[in-house]
Amino acid sequence: NAGVTQTPKFQVLKTGQSMTLQCAQDMNHEYMSWYRQDPGMGLRLIHYSVGAGITDQGEVPNGYNVSRSTTEDFPLRLLSAAPSQTSVYFCASRPPRGRGYEQYFGPGTRLTVT
Amino acid sequence: AQSVTQLDSQVPVFEEAPVELRCNYSSSVSVYLFWYVQYPNQGLQLLLKYLSGSTLVKGINGFEAEFNKSQTSFHLRKPSVHISDTAEYFCAVSEKGGSEKLVFGKGTKLTVNP
Repeated sequence: NAGVTQTPKFQVLKTGQSMTLQCAQDMNHEYMSWYRQDPGMGLRLIHYSVGAGITDQGEVPNGYNVSRSTTEDFPLRLLSAAPSQTSVYFCASRPPRGRGYEQYFGPGTRLTVT
Repeated sequence: AQSVTQLDSQVPVFEEAPVELRCNYSSSVSVYLFWYVQYPNQGLQLLLKYLSGSTLVKGINGFEAEFNKSQTSFHLRKPSVHISDTAEYFCAVSEKGGSEKLVFGKGTKLTVNP
């Protein structure tokens, strides 16, 4: 299994540009989530999904969109990038409750918005 | 909603000394508790988890944590640290039967000096 994969690893955007961060997992996990990591702030939840077709907002959802059309993929879209969205983004997945409790994290995407 | 407080943002120690990283949580319901480690420029790796049962939990790399319900704490300990333990450590909480969100503390940077 490849686990949780994220692309790209690095990205530089100009203010106002849009882009999609890709996340995929091959473990048949129903629960997937996106976090951003900023120095001194820990990881903050952006959006999460408990299964295909179901998404919900986390702590810091503004400026981001998600959709979940398949179990495997959970892309994160930045609609109009802002310097405040400069961060490291992590995708994670977890089996259904009762079959596992810890989240498995991808390697991250480092995004810089200029 | 649940929350996590990691009481120390930085902890410097000497090699072979014991260390304790403190974590307190807040929740109105029962919780699952986790410690993750992040080595420089890497993703997050699970150190240990508390789901139920024995309040003393052993993890990888010689770490252990104790769940204290009355104090709402889940402190991480290691009796003798190595240089290779230098990393950032995150405490996280998820509510049992709740929204399945995993909420992180802001992290503690452990630096082990020779």
